[in-house]
Amino acid sequence: DTAVSQTPKYLVTQMGNDKSIKCEQNLGHDTMYWYKQDSKKFLKIMFSYNNKELIINETVPNRFSPKSPDKAHLNLHINSLELGDSAVYFCASSQGQVFYTGELFFGEGSRLTVL
Amino acid sequence: KQEVTQIPAALSVPEGENLVLNCSFTDSAIYNLQWFRQDPGKGLTSLLLIQSSQREQTSGRLNASLDKSSGRSTLYIAASQPGDSATYLCAVPGSNYQLIWGAGTKLIIKP
Repeated sequence: DTAVSQTPKYLVTQMGNDKSIKCEQNLGHDTMYWYKQDSKKFLKIMFSYNNKELIINETVPNRFSPKSPDKAHLNLHINSLELGDSAVYFCASSQGQVFYTGELFFGEGSRLTVL
Repeated sequence: KQEVTQIPAALSVPEGENLVLNCSFTDSAIYNLQWFRQDPGKGLTSLLLIQSSQREQTSGRLNASLDKSSGRSTLYIAASQPGDSATYLCAVPGSNYQLIWGAGTKLIIKP
């Protein structure tokens, strides 16, 4: 029974298209995150939601829009895709915020390739 | 500004050896430190979380220690197996609710 699941696992699309990645966690956590891992394998946080409220919004183009319909779901919508958006996007969750005591649990990642 | 460094960047050892991975951080005022592993093409799996009040945590063949005053943590892997091959990352909470990540140690266990 997967704790943090994200779909799709692979996504290949053309520049200029709009795409979404969905994330769900069944751990009962109240904080969810989106991370981007680039080709150099560095993990960069993009967004974090705590109980559906946005608490971290890093310097990310506004083509990226997160949506949290409830605390178990955090989706990522990307408009007007660019070549530089190609990366692996990871969803994660924690009980409370990692800044304090929250252990972080990750999904398996969604590999986005923009052609 | 918190910085996290992991040494070595890569390590290759024969199966059965005990080994130590290192993680150092510049600001000792941390709440916790977490060790993860990442398998190729996979997500990150949490291995151990050490709270700032703890000195070590153990899970099976893994033991993580934390020395806040010296800004160091080690991950000890006993009796290594080929299945331990992965990239190991450590992370500490930074400012603005973020995790600060090390660049990782790529571990290869040779059968």
